[in-house]
Amino acid sequence: DTAVSQTPKYLVTQMGNDKSIKCEQNLGHDTMYWYKQDSKKFLKIMFSYNNKELIINETVPNRFSPKSPDKAHLNLHINSLELGDSAVYFCASSPYRFNEKLFFGSGTQLSVL
Amino acid sequence: RKEVEQDPGPFNVPEGATVAFNCTYSNSASQSFFWYRQDCRKEPKLLMSVYSSGNEDGRFTAQLNRASQYISLLIRDSKLSDSATYLCVVSSDRGSTLGRLYFGRGTQLTVWP
Repeated sequence: DTAVSQTPKYLVTQMGNDKSIKCEQNLGHDTMYWYKQDSKKFLKIMFSYNNKELIINETVPNRFSPKSPDKAHLNLHINSLELGDSAVYFCASSPYRFNEKLFFGSGTQLSVL
Repeated sequence: RKEVEQDPGPFNVPEGATVAFNCTYSNSASQSFFWYRQDCRKEPKLLMSVYSSGNEDGRFTAQLNRASQYISLLIRDSKLSDSATYLCVVSSDRGSTLGRLYFGRGTQLTVWP
């Protein structure tokens, strides 16, 4: 019944590794997002897809690559993890593009050692 | 300068108290404003939108002052369950950042018995 679900909830890994976070929404929304919440609690958008089309690509290292196989899924792959990547990553969806009412997943706590 | 500035608090109030949070935003042309709530170690959830005329939802009242570029949230008759971080959110209205949400770092509220 979970509207926006992301896995895993916790991810602990070594520097230099590659990891992925998966996200799925069952709300029938057109638009999905990845947000990063750092240790200072600021939430910043990383990427947004609308019907599988990339519409927002913030200034993030190209080690981060989103993939949207269909409009219900948006995955995030991170190559060559660095210490500074440690944060909570939230997936979110909204009914349509530019709609500001976001539904967030429960977050993935990424810790890079 | 951050797009959205909030006093991080913490605000510690007894049950039944009235508490108010403010936030300021830098883009005078912003059109949409929201308050989100984030419980500890949980995802943000939309609390309420903020309209120019001000709006109320039960014990919660949101106000927008465009001239001074600030948004407020008033909570009356605080409950223990109101303890959370309250995020001020502003939507960009122009150009390449159209539709993007800018989150404040949040104001932490603790309601004690």
